[in-house]
Amino acid sequence: KQEVTQIPAALSVPEGENLVLNCSFTDSAIYNLQWFRQDPGKGLTSLLLIQSSQREQTSGRLNASLDKSSGRSTLYIAASQPGDSATYLCAVVSGGGADGLTFGKGTHLIIQP
Amino acid sequence: DAGITQSPRHKVTETGTPVTLRCHQTENHRYMYWYRQDPGHGLRLIHYSYGVKDTDKGEVSDGYSVSRSKTEDFLLTLESATSSQTSVYFCAIRTGVGHNYGYTFGSGTRLTVV
Repeated sequence: KQEVTQIPAALSVPEGENLVLNCSFTDSAIYNLQWFRQDPGKGLTSLLLIQSSQREQTSGRLNASLDKSSGRSTLYIAASQPGDSATYLCAVVSGGGADGLTFGKGTHLIIQP
Repeated sequence: DAGITQSPRHKVTETGTPVTLRCHQTENHRYMYWYRQDPGHGLRLIHYSYGVKDTDKGEVSDGYSVSRSKTEDFLLTLESATSSQTSVYFCAIRTGVGHNYGYTFGSGTRLTVV
């Protein structure tokens, strides 16, 4: 059974810092990995999608990397802003792919003004 | 952007009553999913569908049933609600083609069983 772990569970940093969120998964036979953002009381917003054949994806100040063989992904946020405060979720698609995503429990990020 | 709506957005119900949550999509995606989100557990898969009348169980399916009579609608039913089913429920669709696919989520339904 696939398990996804996110470290740290919570993080508070001053505005302007560059930061890294970590995600690890136990079964390296994944199809895709997706990073989401969730604001309090809201739904999930997709940030980045990495296919298993890719090493990284970038969108604006966000960069996600994938090392399938070691079962790891990182989400890099450059020049953090208070608006980046949210919970960040990592999720993977395993096996046949039909049965959806397996999620980590998230990293709760606070950017101090 | 994929159109996916959930209804109702909020519901309070009594223990033992049946409850049905609806997920509606506008773009004929084949795969649809129901998740629940709880503190300390994250998001867990309840049931999913890979086509009309084709459904399967997820990690936490006990106490839930689903139906998909049309491509655009995926219904989640709690036959007899219990307090342990108090949660936020999210519907998702799989979008994209071939191996280049991702998932889009609805805004969620907050269900309280009293």
